[in-house]
Amino acid sequence: LAKTTQPISMDSYEGQEVNITCSHNNIATNDYITWYQQFPSQGPRFIIQGYKTKVTNEVASLFIPADRKSSTLSLPRVSLSDTAVYYCLVGDIADGGATNKLIFGTGTLLAVQP
Amino acid sequence: EAQVTQNPRYLITVTGKKLTVTCSQNMNHEYMSWYRQDPGLGLRQIYYSMNVEVTDKGDVPEGYKVSRKEKRNFPLILESPSPNQTSLYFCASSRGLREKLFFGSGTQLSVL
Repeated sequence: LAKTTQPISMDSYEGQEVNITCSHNNIATNDYITWYQQFPSQGPRFIIQGYKTKVTNEVASLFIPADRKSSTLSLPRVSLSDTAVYYCLVGDIADGGATNKLIFGTGTLLAVQP
Repeated sequence: EAQVTQNPRYLITVTGKKLTVTCSQNMNHEYMSWYRQDPGLGLRQIYYSMNVEVTDKGDVPEGYKVSRKEKRNFPLILESPSPNQTSLYFCASSRGLREKLFFGSGTQLSVL
């Protein structure tokens, strides 16, 4: 059974870089790691996805170490509008292989202050 | 516009009265799934569907049913709702299992 662990909350100030780490000790070898952002009263929205090393897009970077037991979402120069809950997502695992179930973490509430 | 549409947005019902929450996507996605979101517990998968007529249980399927008779629709059925099913529900779809998920706006359900 896969499980993800994230900090419950984080505080930051505008303009700072924020790094949110997710632990996923039991991840299938062929699985991806995906991060979502959720604002109040809205559905989650895709941010970034990666398999290993580093992935960067226009809004974030994702760092995945060689053992893939964790991943770090990096948000450069956050603004007030980045205040949201951030979830990491991996597939469930059984008998050493990925299943078709998806496991979200409990999410990290990022509060950005002026 | 590409979207996942859930209805209703808000629903208040009483224990035992059968209800259906509809979910429809216009992106020709194969993978669809339902989640419930509760304070402190994050998002938990209820059921998912890999394609038409192919559905399977997620992490918390008890008390729920689904069907996938058409590719675009994936309704969530509560045959006999109970107060512990009071929650915020999200439907999502994607091209495939490991692809980007598109979520609906959510359905806030209260069972009295």
